[in-house]
Order: sequence, then C-alpha cells, then structure tokens
Amino acid sequence: GAVVSQHPSWVICKSGTSVKIECRSLDFQATTMFWYRQFPKQSLMLMATSNEGSKATYEQGVEKDKFLINHASLTLSTLTVTSAHPEDSSFYICSARYSWYGDEQFFGPGTRLTVL
Amino acid sequence: DAKTTQPPSMDCAEGRAANLPCNHSTISGNEYVYWYRQIHSQGPQYIIHGLKNNETNEMASLIITEDRKSSTLILPHATLRDTAVYYCIVREWMDSSYKLIFGSGTRLLVRP
Repeated sequence: GAVVSQHPSWVICKSGTSVKIECRSLDFQATTMFWYRQFPKQSLMLMATSNEGSKATYEQGVEKDKFLINHASLTLSTLTVTSAHPEDSSFYICSARYSWYGDEQFFGPGTRLTVL
Repeated sequence: DAKTTQPPSMDCAEGRAANLPCNHSTISGNEYVYWYRQIHSQGPQYIIHGLKNNETNEMASLIITEDRKSSTLILPHATLRDTAVYYCIVREWMDSSYKLIFGSGTRLLVRP
C-alpha cells in the first residue's frame, strides 16, 4: 500500500516555542492531506484538511493561527504548532489521499509532541 | 460527530474468527464504510472499505447489511498481533471534501 511518513517521530520542546511537523507521501501524489490529533486513550480528532496549493480548511474549534498548515506540493504538508503550551502535548497524525475522488486514505506513523 | 457506534471492547481467542459489529443507521446512500485499526502509539492502518456489497481482501472481510445500517468486520483467524483498536468510519462529504471522522472504536483483545 501507499506509504506516508512523518518527521520527527517525537519532539520535546519548551513552552512558547514553535514546532514544525512534516508529512510526506512517499510513493504517490496526495492532492488532499489531513491532520489529526489524538490525546491519550482518546480517538483521533480531525484538525484540518488541506488541498495542494490551497489554504487549509480547519475544523470547528481548531485555531488556524496556532496550527499553521502548509501543503506546498503534492507530496509534502507541514503542521506548525506556534507558541506551544503543555496542553498542546499530543499525538499528531497526518493522512494523505490519492486523488480528489480517491477511495483510500493512508495514515502516517504519528508524531508525539511533548511541551514542557 | 461520527456516524458510527461500536462496542467499546471485545475479545476473542487466538486462531478463532473475530467479528466486530458497527452500527451506522444514518448512513446516506453514497457514503462508504471504512475500517481502520490502530495499534498502540502508531498511525491507523487501513483494513477494508465498502459501499453495499460484501468485500474481502487479504486482511479481512466486510459484511454490510442490505439496508446498510450496520456492518461487521471479520478477521477470519485472529492472531495476537491483531490486538488493536478497530475503527468503523462512515466517510462523509463535508466542506467540499471527503473526510474520515473517527468514533471511539472497539478495543479488540486477542487472547492466547
């Protein structure tokens, strides 16, 4: 199946700093990428949807100025957590889909963010 | 909100079939049912999806009722490595895009 990678796999940062997480589709072009967040023992929560070359669409309650998403190419999307605080500590997972109307969506391995 | 409801947990014996139910009574005619699983601290893994016909692949079988209000994922010969949280998802068209909205899933424990 298609492979989606994330970097870094884990990161620890100080409160107030910004952290960038990369998501790459390794063997296919992803016209649409998704970012999810997962707190311990909870399900995945969709944060935003991004289409290549367009602004991301954020889900209700997600601050777009805090979680900056860039989908500059068909194989790369980045999520930047700005001015991170301890409550932003979570497991961030990206996902990518083949095409505008594709049926399959593949997930990356996730990035564990810990804000001290 | 997710359109699916699943039992919070199930268990089965290794080597036996695991049958995971899912209710999606408000599913629309053109919405697909997807199944993913998540092993601890990893990203979700795609298993199978379907619209109205039963589907089978190397991992599992998906049985969708005729009225499409429920489905069952079948792992024919469960192994210890199948222990995971299984998510049944109705793919929704929202804000000009298809989206997978996760519910709470079923935690499957495969016993030796």
